[in-house]
Amino acid sequence: SYVLTQPPSVSVAPGQTARITCGGNNIGSKSVHWYQQKPGQAPVLVVYDDSDRPSGIPERFSGSNSGNTATLTISRVEAGDEADYYCQVWDSSSDSWVFGGGTKLTVL
Amino acid sequence: QVQLQESGPGLVKPSQTLSLTCTVSGGSISSGSYYWSWIRQPAGKGLEWIGRIYTSGSTNYNPSLKSRVTISVDTSKNQFSLKLSSVTAADTAVYYCARDHGSSGWAARDWGQGTLVTVSS
Repeated sequence: SYVLTQPPSVSVAPGQTARITCGGNNIGSKSVHWYQQKPGQAPVLVVYDDSDRPSGIPERFSGSNSGNTATLTISRVEAGDEADYYCQVWDSSSDSWVFGGGTKLTVL
Repeated sequence: QVQLQESGPGLVKPSQTLSLTCTVSGGSISSGSYYWSWIRQPAGKGLEWIGRIYTSGSTNYNPSLKSRVTISVDTSKNQFSLKLSSVTAADTAVYYCARDHGSSGWAARDWGQGTLVTVSS
């Protein structure tokens, strides 16, 4: 089955840029979705189809995808961005969604 | 604005069947281009996709759970359901239902609040 690899944690100071990666074999050929999950809450979609944002998601959230790595970029990080972030792709070989293991973003 | 609400027993005995229902309000479960999904999350761990159903009844399941999972839809009640058989302690998790939007690459844009299911005797 398809495997997505995320770093367990990323730390960034307020106002700086956070980059969260999601690695997978030729992931650039797939569409990647990203979710934000704060403690005790359901996940929230922040980026879909590699780089599109749902309405209501700040422009500070952006995504890219190429080769074997997809990246969620959060510009001008705020304390409220502290959360777990998950990437997701569709594995056509098994007709199933796959989630990455998640990355905890800490705002210093 | 559609809302999803999970319901079902919070405690299930090992070897029994876990049954959950997701009630959809604010919109018809049979209209539009949506899949209806179940996702779970053990305490302190990541998200695991369980499966999804289209309003036509077409389903997809996580290969690792496929032999134990059934997802169904009841359009008359505007609900969809999850059944997971032969549960063990490893199935203890918060279970979420979600609506996947065709306009968003089938990403899960709408989520229920989640319900904790504990498997224990």
